[in-house]
Amino acid sequence: DADVTQTPRNRITKTGKRIMLECSQTKGHDRMYWYRQDPGLGLRLIYYSFDVKDINKGEISDGYSVSRQAQAKFSLSLESAIPNQTALYFCATSDPTGDEQFFGPGTRLTVL
Amino acid sequence: SQQGEEDPQALSIQEGENATMNCSYKTSINNLQWYRQNSGRGLVHLILIRSNEREKHSGRLRVTLDTSKKSSSLLITASRAADTASYFCATPSSNDYKLSFGAGTTVTVRA
Repeated sequence: DADVTQTPRNRITKTGKRIMLECSQTKGHDRMYWYRQDPGLGLRLIYYSFDVKDINKGEISDGYSVSRQAQAKFSLSLESAIPNQTALYFCATSDPTGDEQFFGPGTRLTVL
Repeated sequence: SQQGEEDPQALSIQEGENATMNCSYKTSINNLQWYRQNSGRGLVHLILIRSNEREKHSGRLRVTLDTSKKSSSLLITASRAADTASYFCATPSSNDYKLSFGAGTTVTVRA
């Protein structure tokens, strides 16, 4: 089984809808991250969490919120989706050294 | 803003040839990491080089780091079709180990 899983893998939604992307991990890591990837821009950090009670904004958090329900679960929400949030979204985990991040397979989100 | 920037943006080579890509970064680092992404999939960690290391090898991968020039290079030797992917360098922030990724180099290996 994959160490980091994301659901859904693909989602098409309409402008204004609320949507939640979920991430689960079996690595036992405290640190979890949400990134979005746009063509030509690489990965940009949306939110990160270093433990269940710690939530931090990344470089592009506007329009997003997160919830860390447990050590193993970290959800990303778009309260009111807009077309420029169409992107590939990745969840990742790491141990405290940060020497390696482990990525999920990604969620391809399309906002019409 | 992105800490690392890869060069070139895209690279096309024949199977068996070597592929070299470069990464430049802006601030002091403790380590630099390289990741691979196959089309539309999650990133996979390839190799980490620490700031006190100048060169590191892993299989067909060779990474160099020049802290005076704030640059790193990734060399893939004897490329294969399966090496077709995007390659990203990533650097951690100094205080809390968030990774900052460059825009990546897309490598195409022709059969």
